[in-house]
Amino acid sequence: AQSVTQPDIHITVSEGASLELRCNYSYGATPYLFWYVQSPGQGLQLLLKYFSGDTLVQGIKGFEAEFKRSQSSFNLRKPSVHWSDAAEYFCAVVLNYGGATNKLIFGTGTLLAVQP
Amino acid sequence: DAGVIQSPRHEVTEMGQEVTLRCKPISGHDYLFWYRQTMMRGLELLIYFNNNVPIDDSGMPEDRFSAKMPNASFSTLKIQPSEPRDSAVYFCASSRTSNEQFFGPGTRLTVL
Repeated sequence: AQSVTQPDIHITVSEGASLELRCNYSYGATPYLFWYVQSPGQGLQLLLKYFSGDTLVQGIKGFEAEFKRSQSSFNLRKPSVHWSDAAEYFCAVVLNYGGATNKLIFGTGTLLAVQP
Repeated sequence: DAGVIQSPRHEVTEMGQEVTLRCKPISGHDYLFWYRQTMMRGLELLIYFNNNVPIDDSGMPEDRFSAKMPNASFSTLKIQPSEPRDSAVYFCASSRTSNEQFFGPGTRLTVL
C-alpha cells in the first residue's frame, strides 16, 4: 500500500544551523510530493511541491527539497534555520488511482524545535 | 482571495449532542476535502468531493459522521451523536485539479 514515512518525530536545531527533514514514500508510479508546514494552532501551509521535471524544487521561506527516485525520498532542506521555522512539518503524497488524483496521504510529521 | 474559511474555530459540546462544522472553499476550486487531526492518528482524510459529489468517503469513521456539499461554495461535516473520542481538529481543504490543496484554519472540537 502507498505510504509516507517521516522517520524523525522530533528534531532540535540551533538557530542559523542547516536543516534536513527526511521523507520516504512507497508508491509504484511517479508520485506527486508535497511538504506542508503547520504552526501551532494553525492550518497547514504548502511549502513546496514536486510533480515532474527538475528534481530540486524551491519553495517558500527559503526551503528546498530534492526528489530522489532511487532512494524513494523527498527530503526537505534549509541552509540556515530561523526561530520562526519552529513548527511541525508534514510530507505528503498524492494517490493516483484510476485516473482520479487528489487523495493526499500524509506522513506522521516532524516537530522542529529551534534553539537560540 | 480569502482562502478556505471554516466555522466555528472552536466548538465545545457535550456527549450526545449534534455538531455541525462548516467550510467555504476557495472560489473556483472543484475539490473539497475534510480531514481530522489527532495526536494518536495524525492527519486522516475523512471524505472528499469533486464538483459537489462525494468521491471517497472511506475515511469516515462511522455512521455518526456525515458530510454534504449542497453547492460549490459550502460544505458541512456533521457528527450526530458526538462522543468524546471525536475530539480533534477538523480541517477543510480545497483544490483545483492541480492537486495542490489549500487548508483552512481548522475547527477545534472538544466533546465533554
